[in-house]
Amino acid sequence: DAKTTQPNSMESNEEEPVHLPCNHSTISGTDYIHWYRQLPSQGPEYVIHGLTSNVNNRMASLAIAEDRKSSTLILHRATLRDAAVYYCILNTGNQFYFGTGTSLTVIP
Amino acid sequence: SAVISQKPSRDICQRGTSLTIQCQVDSQVTMMFWYRQQPGQSLTLIATANQGSEATYESGFVIDKFPISRPNLTFSTLTVSNMSPEDSSIYLCSVKDGNQPQHFGDGTRLSIL
Repeated sequence: DAKTTQPNSMESNEEEPVHLPCNHSTISGTDYIHWYRQLPSQGPEYVIHGLTSNVNNRMASLAIAEDRKSSTLILHRATLRDAAVYYCILNTGNQFYFGTGTSLTVIP
Repeated sequence: SAVISQKPSRDICQRGTSLTIQCQVDSQVTMMFWYRQQPGQSLTLIATANQGSEATYESGFVIDKFPISRPNLTFSTLTVSNMSPEDSSIYLCSVKDGNQPQHFGDGTRLSIL
């Protein structure tokens, strides 16, 4: 299974940018990098995904290292509603294998 | 994105009994999956529910313990059989269609006494 490594927890002040790192040194050429987040008592919610190039959407930005062995999810202005567990996932085909995730605390 | 409904949302069961969890999607989807999330842990893939054929189970999960049905492209069930306290978890259904991202239901919170 493809593996990802993330810090267990991070803190951010409200309205400041947040950079959530993920290492995936065993990534293969066909693995997509997905980010999901899970709010309390909810299922995981899709945030963003990419293959090689950096990606932006309304929720976040994804910066992918040139060698693809790491990536960073960027929340441009953290809000209290962004407090969640963020999962970085490598995806080959249709199956997702979740890592342990990063629990993000947003401080008012 | 697809709207996914799981029933029941939560249940408390006696050990030795079985519970069937339903997953209904509001549109036809290619793939349906079942995950388990033990307390305070990440998600673990149980199996891929295949329409019209036996599910594909991940290592550590077997059909006798977690029988799965998928009679059509919008519905699947997961049964947790002969439950023990170790089966207390959140069970989540997810769907994927074509190149769209995978979407998850809110899960079924199961406690076994």
